[in-house]
Amino acid sequence: ETGVTQSPTHLIKTRGQQVTLRCSSQSGHNTVSWYQQALGQGPQFIFQYYREEENGRGNFPPRFSGLQFPNYSSELNVNALELDDSALYLCASSSGTIGETQYFGPGTRLLVL
Amino acid sequence: QKEVEQDPGPLSVPEGAIVSLNCTYSNSAFQYFMWYRQYSRKGPELLMYTYSSGNKEDGRFTAQVDKSSKYISLFIRDSQPSDSATYLCAMSGRAGNMLTFGGGTRLMVKP
Repeated sequence: ETGVTQSPTHLIKTRGQQVTLRCSSQSGHNTVSWYQQALGQGPQFIFQYYREEENGRGNFPPRFSGLQFPNYSSELNVNALELDDSALYLCASSSGTIGETQYFGPGTRLLVL
Repeated sequence: QKEVEQDPGPLSVPEGAIVSLNCTYSNSAFQYFMWYRQYSRKGPELLMYTYSSGNKEDGRFTAQVDKSSKYISLFIRDSQPSDSATYLCAMSGRAGNMLTFGGGTRLMVKP
């Protein structure tokens, strides 16, 4: 059974550019959540996808958008990058059943210059 | 005020000590409580998962939840240098839903 994987591991972009981050969920999991973790802080919830539909969103602007595919992998897209978007972006998957929790991938470290 | 408060540390202890990590929260809707361990530049790793109030033990780790006080704790017995990491508490109102994290406590266990 493979765990949650994310790509790329590191990324450097300039302000105003767009970025796409990818996540493959753990086998058997149909729910993917994305979190942003700034340096020295706890992760903050961006949004969650359940069976290809958005299933909850945190306090992030519309330039943060996502997709979930039929195989339950997911993308996070960020448009018009700002310096404050520099962070570790974490993907977590879960089965969505009662009593199950979320398992995190290693993250993608994004630096916006 | 943040929904989940956690002392950032750093907390420095000698090897073999008992470590106590804590979080307080304000949202009474939280029912599921988790502790994650995060090594530098890595993703969070689930340590303990508890539903509602009570205690749960797993090896050297014990998690306690007191919903009446809105207070959760993680105890680490016989701490090891390999336990040096940032410990994040997280909670949610419904399993599988969004997690609200504390800011993390950095723990250093010295040989």
